[in-house]
Amino acid sequence: NAGVTQTPKFRILKIGQSMTLQCAQDMNHNYMYWYRQDPGMGLKLIYYSVGAGITDKGEVPNGYNVSRSTTEDFPLRLELAAPSQTSVYFCASSPLRVSGSYSNQPQHFGDGTRLSIL
Amino acid sequence: DAKTTQPNSMESNEEEPVHLPCNHSTISGTDYIHWYRQLPSQGPEYVIHGLTSNVNNRMASLAIAEDRKSSTLILHRATLRDAAVYYCILLQSSGSARQLTFGSGTQLTVLP
Repeated sequence: NAGVTQTPKFRILKIGQSMTLQCAQDMNHNYMYWYRQDPGMGLKLIYYSVGAGITDKGEVPNGYNVSRSTTEDFPLRLELAAPSQTSVYFCASSPLRVSGSYSNQPQHFGDGTRLSIL
Repeated sequence: DAKTTQPNSMESNEEEPVHLPCNHSTISGTDYIHWYRQLPSQGPEYVIHGLTSNVNNRMASLAIAEDRKSSTLILHRATLRDAAVYYCILLQSSGSARQLTFGSGTQLTVLP
């Protein structure tokens, strides 16, 4: 089982360049998330999606954009890369619980994309 | 969001039990307690979660205090592969946001 797949694994960008970090999951999960992790710190939520066509901001959305055209894919877009966006980016997904309460559904994470902006 | 407090680091000997504490004195009645761990250069991995009762799974056990203001993650026999940062996270059962709010976690070192 592939789970959550992130590409690329590593990338170096120049200031002002743009790129898209790809995330795909094959578990038919409704919820998908993008986090960033700076060195020695915990993860911070950038954007999340509760289903195709629906996205919402997390704690640190500035400088990023997302889209969710399918259940499987949740790409993260950096339009004008800045040194402050140097980080490790993690995508995650979780299922929607039919009974309504979904706070007890674990999130499944990808292996991350290590992004450096110089 | 309710906060959690964990020790920055802990050490354990291989093959011995490890008790990782977490304080969450401002927990609300509908908050679930989740534990994740992150091995070096990997994404976080779900370990266990619970609401009020103690929980067991193949990876670990979760002991929740009666007043729910603290919990303990128990690894019954630590192995070298258990060396990781362990995060204790509270997740609300209501509201639209489903984010995991990660603190700095506990760095577990397992000594051979």
